[in-house]
Amino acid sequence: QSALTQPASVSGSPGQSITISCTGTSRDVGGYNYVSWYQQLPGKAPKLMISDVSNRPSGASNRFSGSKSGNTASLTISGLQADDEADYYCSSYTSSATLVFGGGTKLTVL
Amino acid sequence: QVQLLQSGPGLVKPSQTLSLTCAISGDSVSSNSAAWNWIRQSPSRGLEWLARTYYRSKWYNDYALSVKSRITINPDTSKNQFSLQLNSVTPEDTAVYYCARGKGIAAHSMDVWGQGTTVTVSS
Repeated sequence: QSALTQPASVSGSPGQSITISCTGTSRDVGGYNYVSWYQQLPGKAPKLMISDVSNRPSGASNRFSGSKSGNTASLTISGLQADDEADYYCSSYTSSATLVFGGGTKLTVL
Repeated sequence: QVQLLQSGPGLVKPSQTLSLTCAISGDSVSSNSAAWNWIRQSPSRGLEWLARTYYRSKWYNDYALSVKSRITINPDTSKNQFSLQLNSVTPEDTAVYYCARGKGIAAHSMDVWGQGTTVTVSS
């Protein structure tokens, strides 16, 4: 199972909005509404920010939103803040009854 | 509040078996709405999902194809925990290992994570 494709890095200024893409295939992202997004700070475990494409768990800021079109899912962060600087990972359920992660995207707040 | 507490050795010799345990508090390993996962992370492989176990009237286990021939996940209802065994390890298995609870519509989103265990495979 190949990893989902994410951009290696994105950046934005405080207050701006950024979008991180996550591209898979019809056997994972495109086939199921089971895409999740995680934020990881240095030395910490990942934190769930979005579940099931667009659901925001309690504890996740409402500045984070998720969507999907075809084989590509997206995470949008609005009103960018300095403490949003982190690594972001997507994951998806697959037709092999497994889970697969993306390669990760480093977000820099300028 | 759900918490996961990992335990196990940080150093394993090549060709031996890596064994880790994840103790659950605040939820049940037999929950009908959760799944219990193992994930690892290394600079070379990034985040890699390894396995999960879950109970839906009977026990189910799923494994990543990359490790399927070497891995076993086991729930322990008497101790409310689950474990990972990875056989025939090589230096490529050096990573931070996490356990995590899966929740959501089909329990594919991991909302609670253990503290992580750094495992080094070296003689």
